[in-house]
Amino acid sequence: GAVVSQHPSWVICKSGTSVKIECRSLDFQATTMFWYRQFPKQSLMLMATSNEGSKATYEQGVEKDKFLINHASLTLSTLTVTSAHPEDSSFYICSARAGIETQYFGPGTRLLVL
Amino acid sequence: QKEVEQNSGPLSVPEGAIASLNCTYSDRGSQSFFWYRQYSGKSPELIMFIYSNGDKEDGRFTAQLNKASQYVSLLIRDSQPSDSATYLCAVSSSGGSYIPTFGRGTSLIVHP
Repeated sequence: GAVVSQHPSWVICKSGTSVKIECRSLDFQATTMFWYRQFPKQSLMLMATSNEGSKATYEQGVEKDKFLINHASLTLSTLTVTSAHPEDSSFYICSARAGIETQYFGPGTRLLVL
Repeated sequence: QKEVEQNSGPLSVPEGAIASLNCTYSDRGSQSFFWYRQYSGKSPELIMFIYSNGDKEDGRFTAQLNKASQYVSLLIRDSQPSDSATYLCAVSSSGGSYIPTFGRGTSLIVHP
């Protein structure tokens, strides 16, 4: 149980384009989903927390207009990187939890912006 | 500012030994404690969680929590080369809406 999927696992795009990443909880209803970013050999950085049906709460320094988060259902959250630039290249990881219980991570999405 | 501190390592142990990973936290109101393992290039996976003082064992893994000392540790018995990874400690509390604060992780190397 407690499986979280992400799609796509890899994405390469041109600078200026937008990229959407999906995060799904497959066998439980996720009341809260988290989006993280991790640069090589660095720690996890929480970008935002989203609760189903509510606007996402962004961490300080994360541009909400650039990283659009939608948590429309209890099993799906999406992160859209708008007008991506090379500095946005990173490993994006979502996690999900039911209530206040343990969070489970998706496998991550590697984004490369050329 | 809630802080979770881990020695970045690397911690190097021989195969078959006990690996001891430590984590301290600043928020005395912390209630939930988690250990995740992250292999290079992969996302974190949950190893254990612990809520109460004392020890919790699961196979080769034992989590130890001491709330008075604000200290949580993970022991890995009979360490295997496949245990080589970065181990992340995470702590959450109701005061923080149960949003976990992660440590920077400790790199463990188990050499044959």
